[in-house]
Amino acid sequence: SYVLTQPPSVSVAPGQTARITCGGNNIGSKSVHWYQQKPGQAPVLVVYDDSDRPSGIPERFSGSNSGNTATLTISRVEAGDEADYYCQVWDSSSDHPDYVFGTGTKVTVL
Amino acid sequence: QITLKESGPTLVKPTQTLTLTCTFSGFSLSTSGVGVGWIRQPPGKALEWLALIYWNDDKRYSPSLKSRLTITKDTSKNQVVLTMTNMDPVDTATYYCAPQGVRVVSDAFDIWGQGTMVTVSS
Repeated sequence: SYVLTQPPSVSVAPGQTARITCGGNNIGSKSVHWYQQKPGQAPVLVVYDDSDRPSGIPERFSGSNSGNTATLTISRVEAGDEADYYCQVWDSSSDHPDYVFGTGTKVTVL
Repeated sequence: QITLKESGPTLVKPTQTLTLTCTFSGFSLSTSGVGVGWIRQPPGKALEWLALIYWNDDKRYSPSLKSRLTITKDTSKNQVVLTMTNMDPVDTATYYCAPQGVRVVSDAFDIWGQGTMVTVSS
């Protein structure tokens, strides 16, 4: 089965840039989506199809995807960005297609 | 305004069958390209996709749970129902429903319900 690997945690000071990686075999050939989940809340889609933002998501959230790594970048980090972040893809490369989520990254704002 | 709400039992016993209902508004599951999926999250753990049903009644299941899952829709009631058989304590989780292809043209799950916590215990 397809595996998406994320760092367990990322720490960043307010106003700085946070980069969250999502590693997977040839992930650059897939469309990657990113979700933000604050404690006790449902996930929220923040980036879809590698780099697009749903309406209402600040431009500070951006994404890229190439090779074996996708990246969610949060610019000018604010205290309200503190949350868990998950990447997700649709893996149709095997006989058993699957929507796969990453292991999750906790972003801490120092 | 698009909303979804999950409902079902909060406690089930091992070996029982779980039935969850997702009731939504603000979109139609008869619209081409639209799907509704179920995703769960055990306490303190990552998200796990379970099943998805499309406007044309096409269905997809998690390979690891396929034998235990059934997803159906009632378009007239704006509902999607998930059943999971042979429940086990490891199935204790918050269960979410979320649509695809509603707010964005993508296979991302673009809006999520509040989730419903299900505990499996005797």
